[in-house]
This record gives sequence, structure tokens and C-alpha cells, in this order.
Amino acid sequence: DTEVTQTPKHLVMGMTNKKSLKCEQHMGHRAMYWYKQKAKKPPELMFVYSYEKLSINESVPSRFSPECPNSSLLNLHLHALQPEDSALYLCASSSRDRDLAKLFFGSGTQLSVL
Amino acid sequence: AQSVTQPDIHITVSEGASLELRCNYSYGATPYLFWYVQSPGQGLQLLLKYFSGDTLVQGIKGFEAEFKRSQSSFNLRKPSVHWSDAAEYFCAVGSTNTGNQFYFGTGTSLTVIP
Repeated sequence: DTEVTQTPKHLVMGMTNKKSLKCEQHMGHRAMYWYKQKAKKPPELMFVYSYEKLSINESVPSRFSPECPNSSLLNLHLHALQPEDSALYLCASSSRDRDLAKLFFGSGTQLSVL
Repeated sequence: AQSVTQPDIHITVSEGASLELRCNYSYGATPYLFWYVQSPGQGLQLLLKYFSGDTLVQGIKGFEAEFKRSQSSFNLRKPSVHWSDAAEYFCAVGSTNTGNQFYFGTGTSLTVIP
């Protein structure tokens, strides 16, 4: 299994809603990432988890709250989002810290905030 | 600081013609270099990567790239383009200095005309 699975694939939410994005991998990877990508733009790094601990937070607003409950699972909790947060949210994983030899991306969650 | 430049925002080629997408990087050490392809609303698919060794790298879907240290370039090539190659292409440089971080170029949008 060499996949990073993201659910849901599409999400529409209002500004007062609370929702969560889920990312799962079963490759034994110990580094996991969240990226945000606006249309026609490159992905922007949001968070990096290494061995289930948050190692990088790229000054992301607190309305985005990451969680890594175990080595296979990464969540992104969303609350009080703004319309400008509408984007494709990509999850990725790599085999271990400081190892870019095997980096896999999921297909993403397309988020629309109304 | 690391950076990646893709000079061409948009390229149009005829089906069957050859293709070259340009990528220039700025990095203090030997870089890890990658090319990704992305179809609309989809995640990133790795085409090929360079870590060390042979400077001509073969990838999937008939793509290849050549690392030229003297020119700080990692251009992507394909001898004969297919209509299904129409997509967004991202060059990226990887850094392990501060955890696993990717720096993406701004992307090149490829249109293939019959």
C-alpha cells in the first residue's frame, strides 16, 4: 500500500461550521504534512508532524488546528473559516524525518467556504 | 534561502511535438530536485526526482530531466507530447536542514493542441 488517503474529497462549509479533514497512510511513515493550495498556485506548507509531534507550524491562523493521534493518521480541524480559506488541502507523508526519498501526496480535499 | 523559479507560466505545444519545461533553483548545497504533475482538482503525482549520481533522470510517462549544476537548472523534457500530458507542472527543491520541507516553483501550465 503506497497511498495517502484523504477524506472527504470535497467539502462545503459555512463560516460558523466545524469540520475536520482526515489523512491516513499505512506505509509506516513517521513524517506527515499539510499543504494548502489555491488555484493555479503552488502548494504552501502549513504543518509538519514528525513522530506524531508538531515540528513545523508555518504561522497558520488558529482557525486551523492539526492533530496527529497516531503514526498513521493526521487530522486538520477547521473552525470559523473565512471564504479566502477555500482551497485544495493536500496531505503528504515521508518515510522518516530528513528523508525525502519517499514522499507521497494524497489527492487532496477541495474545500469551499461559503 | 532556497528558491525555485519556473520562468514559463504557460506553454502550448502541438501533440507529438517535443517539450521542455524550465526550472532553476537556488540552494546552498546539493539539492534534492523533483518534478510533479497535477491535473485540475487532483493531488500531486511525482514524475521524477534527483538526489545524486547520474544527472539525467528518467521518470514516468516518458519524461526525463537533466540536472546541470553549472546552470542551477533541472529542466523537464519529453520527446513527443500526448494530449493527456496537459496539466500543471511543478518543480520543487527539497531541504532536510530544518525538517522535511519542500519549496515549490510557481508552476507551468501545459496546453496540448491537436
